[in-house]
Amino acid sequence: DGGITQSPKYLFRKEGQNVTLSCEQNLNHDAMYWYRQDPGQGLRLIYYSQIVNDFQKGDIAEGYSVSREKKESFPLTVTSAQKNPTAFYLCASSALSASYEQYFGPGTRLTVT
Amino acid sequence: GQQLNQSPQSMFIQEGEDVSMNCTSSSIFNTWLWYKQDPGEGPVLLIALYKAGELTSNGRLTAQFGITRKDSFLNISASIPSDVGIYFCAGQSLIQGAQKLVFGQGTRLTINP
Repeated sequence: DGGITQSPKYLFRKEGQNVTLSCEQNLNHDAMYWYRQDPGQGLRLIYYSQIVNDFQKGDIAEGYSVSREKKESFPLTVTSAQKNPTAFYLCASSALSASYEQYFGPGTRLTVT
Repeated sequence: GQQLNQSPQSMFIQEGEDVSMNCTSSSIFNTWLWYKQDPGEGPVLLIALYKAGELTSNGRLTAQFGITRKDSFLNISASIPSDVGIYFCAGQSLIQGAQKLVFGQGTRLTINP
C-alpha cells in the first residue's frame, strides 16, 4: 500500500527534552511538509522540503528542526526551545508537479508535561 | 501573512439535510482544496479546484472556485452520519518560490440521527 506513515501515534515527554517525530512515505513524492494543529485552529506550516538535503522554514519554525537525508523520510525534532510543544503534528507529501495536492499521514499527538 | 476565513465554525444538522460552508480571503489563490479530518486522524483530500469559476462534484460533495479567486464553497447534499468531522479549506499560492497551502480554521460538522 502506498502512503504516509507517522510514528508513534501518541508521544509523551518531559519538559526540557528533545523529541523526534518520524515521517515516512512510499509515494515517491519529492516534497514533504510538517504541520502543527492546535484545537480549533487550522494547520500551520513548520518546515517543508522539496528535494533531498534541502529544506525551508515555514511560518512557525522556531523551536523545531528537520533533516531530509532520504527522499522517503522527513523527521521532525521538537526541541526544548519550543515554548508550547503539546500539539497534533501532521506530515504531508506531494509530487512537485502537483504540489498543491498534499496527502497527509495519520498524525502524532505529542504531550509535553 | 495570508489568512482564510472559514465559516461557519460549527454546524449541527439533522441527517438528510444539505450542508454549505465557505472560505474567503483577501488574497488571491491559484488552487482551492477541501479536506475532511476525522478525530485523531490526518486530513483527507476531498476536492481540488484549479480554475476560477470551476464547479466540481465528488459524489454528494460539490465545490466551487470563486470567480474572484478569493473564495470557495463546499456543499454536501443529503448528509449521512459518516459525514461527521472537520472540514478544512486550503488555498494554494506561490510564496517565496514555493507552492504553499494556507488553511482555514475548519468547520466542525455534527449530525443528529
